[in-house]
Amino acid sequence: GENVEQHPSTLSVQEGDSAVIKCTYSDSASNYFPWYKQELGKGPQLIIDIRSNVGEKKDQRIAVTLNKTAKHFSLHITETQPEDSAVYFCAASLWGNNRLAFGKGNQVVVIP
Amino acid sequence: NAGVTQTPKFRILKIGQSMTLQCAQDMNHNYMYWYRQDPGMGLKLIYYSVGAGITDKGEVPNGYNVSRSTTEDFPLRLELAAPSQTSVYFCASNSGSGYEQYFGPGTRLTVT
Repeated sequence: GENVEQHPSTLSVQEGDSAVIKCTYSDSASNYFPWYKQELGKGPQLIIDIRSNVGEKKDQRIAVTLNKTAKHFSLHITETQPEDSAVYFCAASLWGNNRLAFGKGNQVVVIP
Repeated sequence: NAGVTQTPKFRILKIGQSMTLQCAQDMNHNYMYWYRQDPGMGLKLIYYSVGAGITDKGEVPNGYNVSRSTTEDFPLRLELAAPSQTSVYFCASNSGSGYEQYFGPGTRLTVT
């Protein structure tokens, strides 16, 4: 099955700086890659996703890039704010499968 | 819409006891999922369902059972609780036409 790995496990950034989280996946057939944000005491929530026919997608301060050849994708958060502090999960799936393989999560801490 | 609801929020069980974690969604979603989240280990799929009357095992089904008698409800049953089942449990749903999974707020279970 699909194996998704995230790096680094914890990331601390100064408010206003950028944060980048990278994920790698094992199954070259995977073609859907979402990112979920989990705030303390809550369930994960989808923040952005990308399909394999697209190399980059942006939504305000967040963006996701995909490198299919290297089998990795990254989440970029610019101008970080304290409310960006959370655990971020990447996942991978085969379109049509409706099942996601999640990474272990990254704790992002934005220091005011 | 209430979205995905889970009860209880917290529970302490003694070894060998049984309990049912409740999950309900009011979005008329066909797909429903149960995950467990252990510290530093991400989300692991326990069971999932693609519609009423249909369930299937995920990555870590041992020690759990599910049923799906209605579209709305997807209870998770723990028989003979063990300390290894101490975790946070999340229920999620998906329409089947899109890929976003909507998560409930979670149930924190401790088995002592």
